[in-house]
Amino acid sequence: QITLKESGPTLVKPTQTLTLTCTCSGFSLRDTGVGVAWIRQPPGKALEWLVLIYWDDDKRYSSSLRSRLTISKDTSKNQVVLTMTNMDAEDTGTYYCAHLLTSYSLYFDHWGQGSLVTVSS
Amino acid sequence: EIVLTQSPATLSLSPGERATLSCRASQNIRTYLAWYQQKPGQAPRLLIHDASNRATGIPARFSGSGSGTDFTLTISSLEPEDFAVYYCQQRNIWPITFGQGTRLEIK
Repeated sequence: QITLKESGPTLVKPTQTLTLTCTCSGFSLRDTGVGVAWIRQPPGKALEWLVLIYWDDDKRYSSSLRSRLTISKDTSKNQVVLTMTNMDAEDTGTYYCAHLLTSYSLYFDHWGQGSLVTVSS
Repeated sequence: EIVLTQSPATLSLSPGERATLSCRASQNIRTYLAWYQQKPGQAPRLLIHDASNRATGIPARFSGSGSGTDFTLTISSLEPEDFAVYYCQQRNIWPITFGQGTRLEIK
């Protein structure tokens, strides 16, 4: 059974760096074809894809946020880590990690419960 | 960036009725479109991928159609648990983008 769980701070101050961890189970980040993405959702608003990392360490970033995002994985812990620099109130929202259906089928078939992050001083 | 425009923004129907939700892409995305359902306080759930393929465990009352720029999600007979927000997502061209959502509410 595939599960993902986000963890990290619930409150960050403006200009700070956010670090979120996605702990994965039921699959290995080493397995060929595996991919994990981060997707966020401001309160009451639509979903926004941020970044994706593949089993072979290939990464794809949202063009609008690329300069602020870093994604990495720790295969020994089966975790994916997202960092976002220079946080602003507009970054407030729920951050989800999600499992890729297949490496070539860029849809998300399993999602974490989400991590609500508030940016406020 | 491909923009997905969903309509209507809100759809008010009764259980047992048929629901038709639309997603229009700003350019040709072939059949590389998915639909998700999201209930309050929950993560999205994949319903349909590649325009018309139901994901694992999705009831047959959900169906998807379309290609190119115009896509439709149809729920043949609404159950009480189907009232939620629905999003479309394209994967034809980076970046992956989502529509703004259609809220399906009980009339």
